[in-house]
Amino acid sequence: AQSVTQLGSHVSVSEGALVLLRCNYSSSVPPYLFWYVQYPNQGLQLLLKYTTGATLVKGINGFEAEFKKSETSFHLTKPSAHMSDAAEYFCAVSLIQGAQKLVFGQGTRLTINP
Amino acid sequence: GAGVSQTPSNKVTEKGKYVELRCDPISGHTALYWYRQSLGQGPEFLIYFQGTGAADDSGLPNDRFFAVRPEGSVSTLKIQRTERGDSAVYLCASSPDSNYGYTFGSGTRLTVV
Repeated sequence: AQSVTQLGSHVSVSEGALVLLRCNYSSSVPPYLFWYVQYPNQGLQLLLKYTTGATLVKGINGFEAEFKKSETSFHLTKPSAHMSDAAEYFCAVSLIQGAQKLVFGQGTRLTINP
Repeated sequence: GAGVSQTPSNKVTEKGKYVELRCDPISGHTALYWYRQSLGQGPEFLIYFQGTGAADDSGLPNDRFFAVRPEGSVSTLKIQRTERGDSAVYLCASSPDSNYGYTFGSGTRLTVV
């Protein structure tokens, strides 16, 4: 069975600083991996996804993530934080074939300090 | 429509009552998903529809929960004999067939008192 662990339920960075949100997964087969962002009182919005091919994936709003099979990780980064990045971020994993369901991590709340 | 629409946005009900939560997916999306998000947790899968049929309902917690999608578009999640533990945000998402690009709705916040 797949599972997702997000290290740090709350991360705080200064505006302009590097954002690093950690995600590790376990899966018995090569996974599809996703990052979603959730702003207050809104639905989840897809930031980026890894399916196959290039392991460095670029997403919206300047975010990117790198799939590292040897480390079973898919950490999310952004070089320079903006106040508008404050939100809840969820990592998720899915099988490549078959099940359409996503397994989500517990989320990381990102706070940006001025 | 332009996005996934869920109604109502908020629902307060008494313990033991029956509730229905509605989801209008993006027009033309054949795949529809229901998730439940409890406070401080990530979303948990409930059920997935491909067209009119439930392709995977393994996430429904018990037989008090049921979902339908009779015409392959709008879906209704039905909860009988609600319990306080059912309080959560219920999220709906849709995608074109087997594409993994979900679009989520804003959710229905259910509070059972």
